[in-house]
Amino acid sequence: EAQVTQNPRYLITVTGKKLTVTCSQNMNHEYMSWYRQDPGLGLRQIYYSMNVEVTDKGDVPEGYKVSRKEKRNFPLILESPSPNQTSLYFCASSLGDSGGYTFGSGTRLTVV
Amino acid sequence: DQQVKQNSPSLSVQEGRISILNCDYTNSMFDYFLWYKKYPAEGPTFLISISSIKDKNEDGRFTVFLNKSAKHLSLHIVPSQPGDSAVYFCAASSTGGFKTIFGAGTRLFVKA
Repeated sequence: EAQVTQNPRYLITVTGKKLTVTCSQNMNHEYMSWYRQDPGLGLRQIYYSMNVEVTDKGDVPEGYKVSRKEKRNFPLILESPSPNQTSLYFCASSLGDSGGYTFGSGTRLTVV
Repeated sequence: DQQVKQNSPSLSVQEGRISILNCDYTNSMFDYFLWYKKYPAEGPTFLISISSIKDKNEDGRFTVFLNKSAKHLSLHIVPSQPGDSAVYFCAASSTGGFKTIFGAGTRLFVKA
């Protein structure tokens, strides 16, 4: 089944404790992206990647890092999480401009 | 400043009637527009898209209309069904670009 898999689905952590949210896709998509969803703000792009070793900032990159060492994986790293990063996070992948994104099921992160 | 705006947070429609969801954008560089549907506890799913060279695209019960001069697009669902109850996100991107900007979403309630 074609899918984007994120882990974990739920995570509660403390301020400053480094964490990684994993994302993997099995569709051989070149494009991958991370979004966060907050009430009233919709989905805001954090980082995106056009291919292996090619990444760029989205609209809200502060406090986040990503890497794309393999085509299928695009982990999101929070080096020092803060409470304002409490949000619902989605990873997505796409073939390219003409196709819509396939999204993962989301990761609900709470930073206390 | 939000480049993609969905000004109606919610919409309630009777089953069998037409649902019209609206979206406005400000960036004239956008040339590709998409609609996504999101159920609770799931990631958004791609619904329908339209290129700026068209003014209408139809897929079954779903039709998207684009008015470039007004920088406005709309999604029509006819006839509406209770299973259509979800949050609908409008999104926009530019060809060759990799940033996809989402609106805040409109929650559609279809009453049986």
